[in-house]
Order: sequence, then C-alpha cells, then structure tokens
Amino acid sequence: GIQVEQSPPDLILQEGANSTLRCNFSDSVNNLQWFHQNPWGQLINLFYIPSGTKQNGRLSATTVATERYSLLYISSSQTTDSGVYFCAVYTSGTYKYIFGTGTRLKVLA
Amino acid sequence: GAVVSQHPSWVICKSGTSVKIECRSLDFQATTMFWYRQFPKQSLMLMATSNEGSKATYEQGVEKDKFLINHASLTLSTLTVTSAHPEDSSFYICSARPGRAPGDTQYFGPGTRLTVL
Repeated sequence: GIQVEQSPPDLILQEGANSTLRCNFSDSVNNLQWFHQNPWGQLINLFYIPSGTKQNGRLSATTVATERYSLLYISSSQTTDSGVYFCAVYTSGTYKYIFGTGTRLKVLA
Repeated sequence: GAVVSQHPSWVICKSGTSVKIECRSLDFQATTMFWYRQFPKQSLMLMATSNEGSKATYEQGVEKDKFLINHASLTLSTLTVTSAHPEDSSFYICSARPGRAPGDTQYFGPGTRLTVL
C-alpha cells in the first residue's frame, strides 16, 4: 500500500522562528489534507490541498502531486503552534485517507 | 461550522465490561463517519468506515465482533468496545464527512481516551 512519510519527526523552535514540514507519499494521490493535533488530542483541519498552494494567515501549504510531496510552512511560530502535524492522503484505489507519520513540533517561549 | 462532538471524552472501565462511545455531527449531516485509533506518540489508524443505514466496513485486522459500530442516523455513530481488555486502552477518534465524494474533507471529534484496568 501507499507509504506516507513526514519529516522531520521532531522539531523544536524558538518563538518567532519559521519552519517547513514535509510530507512524502509513495504513489499518486487524489487528495491531501494537513491537520494539527493539539496537545489535548483534537485534530484541526489546516488545508485541503490536492495540488497547488494555499495560504491561511501564518500558515501556507504547497502540494506538488507529480513529485509526490507536500510542504507545510509555518512562519513566525507561536507557542500555540505546538502539537503534532499530520498530512493525510486519499487515493481512489483505497477509498480512505492514510495518515502520515507526523511531525511533533514544540515552540518555546 | 463543521463541528463534531464525542462523548465521553475519557472513560475508565474494568476488564470484561463494554464501553460505548458516541460521535455526533452537530451542524451538518454525515452519511459517512470514520473511527480511528491512536496509540501514544503514533499516527492515526483507521479502524472502520461507518455508513448511515448500512453495515460498517472494517479495516483488515480489526475485530468486528469486538468493536461494534452503529450509524443509526445522519448525525450519530456509536462505537462499542465489547469485553474490553487492557490492550484496548487507547485514544479513539471519530470523524465525519459532510460531502458525498469519498475524497472530501473530514472533520474530527475531540477524541475519547479509554483506559481498561
């Protein structure tokens, strides 16, 4: 089946720093989403981005489907950005979303 | 919009008892809901897909007789962990899909932390 790997697995930043999180997938996908899981476990939808670039405030995402990767950019990080970031990919062959391995982010004040 | 609730948020039970977890879409109808399981510091693993008015589809390796799923209405799905054992302790998360296309976005509930003693 499709493999979804995220890097880096862990990231520690000082408040105000910028970061790039990467999601690589091993096969063609039809859709891709980015989520933030906060320290209490709630998953929050960030982007629905099968291709192209989207921006929402300090966050932006780019998916290059032909090269099988997606990037999530976090600028001017804040302590509330801490948590785990997951990408999830959907393939029509499986009819389900497969979650990536996650990036655990900690932003220090 | 697109709010999903779960109840309870946490539960502790004795080994051998059954536990029911509810998942509700509060401001939309969802023909399809999903149940995931997450172990500490791991990713989400899909357990089953729940379709309103029909039997759930379980992922390979998930015991359907142990994890009973009922999707009786367009806003409610329930997961019952029967005869729970300590190895069933985990974080259970549901999601709901407002759209009809399989690849449409999902919205997640806050999760239920189950501890079996």
